[in-house]
Amino acid sequence: EPEVTQTPSHQVTQMGQEVILRCVPISNHLYFYWYRQILGQKVEFLVSFYNNEISEKSEIFDDQFSVERPDGSNFTLKIRSTKLEDSAMYFCASSTSGGALTYNEQFFGPGTRLTVL
Amino acid sequence: QKEVEQNSGPLSVPEGAIASLNCTYSDRGSQSFFWYRQYSGKSPELIMSIYSNGDKEDGRFTAQLNKASQYVSLLIRDSQPSDSATYLCAVNFRDRGSTLGRLYFGRGTQLTVWP
Repeated sequence: EPEVTQTPSHQVTQMGQEVILRCVPISNHLYFYWYRQILGQKVEFLVSFYNNEISEKSEIFDDQFSVERPDGSNFTLKIRSTKLEDSAMYFCASSTSGGALTYNEQFFGPGTRLTVL
Repeated sequence: QKEVEQNSGPLSVPEGAIASLNCTYSDRGSQSFFWYRQYSGKSPELIMSIYSNGDKEDGRFTAQLNKASQYVSLLIRDSQPSDSATYLCAVNFRDRGSTLGRLYFGRGTQLTVWP
């Protein structure tokens, strides 16, 4: 069964460093998302992406964050200058449907645990 | 602010019993509703989706939606120890002008099924 994959599974970085989290969505999916979950807290939406552009972003997704689809398979989240409070699990998700008719079933990858020291 | 509320539990049921998980949401414009299962340290796994009022059954799982009451529930019949996990309610809402919706998650209900 096709699934979303993410690398690395765990990333440790120093405060102020840049990190890139990578995702390979399910191959026939066109809609991509990043969520994060701080330990013990809710899963929170960061950004959605379709047709090579951001569709929507949350208040969390400030200028330190960016997303890119550099090729036909990868979808990346970059954090330019990490802060301690960026420590969380970051989940990539993808879906087949979007727009006015969407039911938007989103399938999540296994996550990248980001630890900022 | 769009809120999704779940009874946090923990909910503990014996093997073979029915587990009932509840969720309410604040925004009447919400369009689709999902239940995810999350094992400790793992990612959310989609187990049920529901879009219309009423019941939807899939194997041992039944999702129920009442949009007038802004309420969605999940019943797990014949609960098994392997069902022990945190169950996340998620609500999709698409803002005007947005192509895609975003999921708003509840905090989750921790379910333990004991043998």
